[in-house]
Amino acid sequence: GENVEQHPSTLSVQEGDSAVIKCTYSDSASNYFPWYKQELGKGPQLIIDIRSNVGEKKDQRIAVTLNKTAKHFSLHITETQPEDSAVYFCAATETYNQGGKLIFGQGTELSVKP
Amino acid sequence: DAGVTQSPTHLIKTRGQQVTLRCSPKSGHDTVSWYQQALGQGPQFIFQYYEEEERQRGNFPDRFSGHQFPNYSSELNVNALLLGDSALYLCASSSTGRAFFGQGTRLTVV
Repeated sequence: GENVEQHPSTLSVQEGDSAVIKCTYSDSASNYFPWYKQELGKGPQLIIDIRSNVGEKKDQRIAVTLNKTAKHFSLHITETQPEDSAVYFCAATETYNQGGKLIFGQGTELSVKP
Repeated sequence: DAGVTQSPTHLIKTRGQQVTLRCSPKSGHDTVSWYQQALGQGPQFIFQYYEEEERQRGNFPDRFSGHQFPNYSSELNVNALLLGDSALYLCASSSTGRAFFGQGTRLTVV
């Protein structure tokens, strides 16, 4: 069935360094790939997303890349800050236009040390 | 814009009981999805409601049911609660495309 694998499960970086989180999906029909940030005690917050007709998207310090052939997509955070510390989830869906059924990765706990 | 709101925020129930969780979608959104998030895991899709009908369903037993009202708000019902149903229940709303989550309801079954 549909599956999204996410690595690493934990990531610790120094403030100002870059962080990269990688995901692989199994369903070749997937056409939309959002990333969510979840802080303790809160719901997931959408931080960036990419559709299958685009290879890369950037929003300030955050970027996402997509390789449809390899079924890989990655989140890149530059100039990390302590407030970037949280759990990050990647997700994939083939029903973007219905806003539905996101398949999530297992999450990456990012720790940014001052 | 109030965003997606869920109630209650926390709930404690006893095994075998029934529970109802509520969700009000973001203004302008007509689709509501429910997810279960166990501790340390990613959210798992339960089902989605659109035009007051269940449109998609994940791999959850019939003990999990839902409803969507004409104003697009939604309820998640779980019958015959098991200890394993303890989790954070998330509601997400969307129109076409992007899904936005509420803060969740933390359900503890004892």
